[in-house]
Amino acid sequence: QVQLQESGPGLVKPSETLALTCTVSGGSISSHYWSWIRQPPGKGLEWIGYMYYSGSTNYNPSLKSRVTISVDTSKTHFSLKLSSVTAADTAVYYCATSSHDSLRDALDIWGQGTMVTVSS
Amino acid sequence: DIQLTQSPSSLSASVGDRVTITCRASQSIDTYLNWYHQKPGKGPKLLIYAASSLQSGVPSRFSGSGSGTDFTLTISSLQPEDFATYYCQQSYSTPFIFGQGTKLEIK
Repeated sequence: QVQLQESGPGLVKPSETLALTCTVSGGSISSHYWSWIRQPPGKGLEWIGYMYYSGSTNYNPSLKSRVTISVDTSKTHFSLKLSSVTAADTAVYYCATSSHDSLRDALDIWGQGTMVTVSS
Repeated sequence: DIQLTQSPSSLSASVGDRVTITCRASQSIDTYLNWYHQKPGKGPKLLIYAASSLQSGVPSRFSGSGSGTDFTLTISSLQPEDFATYYCQQSYSTPFIFGQGTKLEIK
């Protein structure tokens, strides 16, 4: 069974780039879609985007100009980069995937989430 | 972009109650509608996929229905562990947005 674990700095300064990694255990990024979702404190879930194992991506238009999702060459990690962050980017960031290899499948595998605070 | 509207935004109920949460899409999404719940401090957990399919390991008191634009999640007999926030999500077309959430609280 695939498991996911997010990691990265818990504090990022305004205008800098947020960079997170999702480690995939129990499998590899050789198929499936790999997603990032975030949740500001006390608020709902926001879909950030996904990457297909081949490297193709799709991002939420609200974040598209600032987001990059990519896969590590080892195929055991994928990453999220969000540039020019502001306090509005403070959130718990989750990586997630589906156990089925279809774009429209629900996300049944989630990481535990990592809190990122944007502050000077 | 497709918009999802959940109702109610919050709900108070008692153990043993039957509860229904609705999710309305701004355009037809066929049956590409998923339901999750989230407990405080935890990540979301998938309950129902493709509008009415019960995720493996999820109790049968949870059920989903609907197609097109109108969907419901029903909990037939609330248990103490069901008090959480519930989200719908459409996976018909990107961006795969979530509804705003329904907080289910103990009466």
